[in-house]
Amino acid sequence: AQKVTQAQTEISVVEKEDVTLDCVYETRDTTYYLFWYKQPPSGELVFLIRRNSFDEQNEISGRYSWNFQKSTSSFNFTITASQVVDSAVYFCALSEIQGAQKLVFGQGTRLTINP
Amino acid sequence: EAGVTQFPSHSVIEKGQTVTLRCDPISGHDNLYWYRRVMGKEIKFLLHFVKESKQDESGMPNNRFLAERTGGTYSTLKVQPAELEDSGVYFCASSQEVRSKSTDTQYFGPGTRLTVL
Repeated sequence: AQKVTQAQTEISVVEKEDVTLDCVYETRDTTYYLFWYKQPPSGELVFLIRRNSFDEQNEISGRYSWNFQKSTSSFNFTITASQVVDSAVYFCALSEIQGAQKLVFGQGTRLTINP
Repeated sequence: EAGVTQFPSHSVIEKGQTVTLRCDPISGHDNLYWYRRVMGKEIKFLLHFVKESKQDESGMPNNRFLAERTGGTYSTLKVQPAELEDSGVYFCASSQEVRSKSTDTQYFGPGTRLTVL
């Protein structure tokens, strides 16, 4: 069975600090996708990134970066120079690459950036 | 391009009543999914449509829940009769059909917050 764990329930930092959100997953599949979604106060889930298990290269997009380590089954998300607008609930998710397409989510991490 | 829309945004009903949630996927997306988040727990999969067909309904909690997608466009999720434990946020997502049938990125709507009193 697939499982995603986000051990950090809530994180609070001061603006401009760097912050890392942890995600650890379990799967028996040899190939899979990993995702991060952001849920701002408005409620919708905003897609941030999809990562293929074949590709362990880290990815950077502006102030966002993702560290995928297959050896430790982790897919951590770092925000550098955090801003108040980054305040949201962040979800990590996992799915098979083929077959069942449902997403398996972690519990979410509520991130608060204080001015 | 319009995103996934859901209606209503919030519904408050009494135990035993019926509620119908609606989801309009992104135009052209064949895949439509329903998920639910109950009481701050993780978001859980309910079911998956490919066009008008139910591809996977393994997450549907019981037979009080009925999902339809007539014509392969919008979808409805009916809860009848509603129970207290049905309270939560119901999310809809859609994705394009990929020829290789591999998983494509799902785009979510804002959710419907259901409160059963």
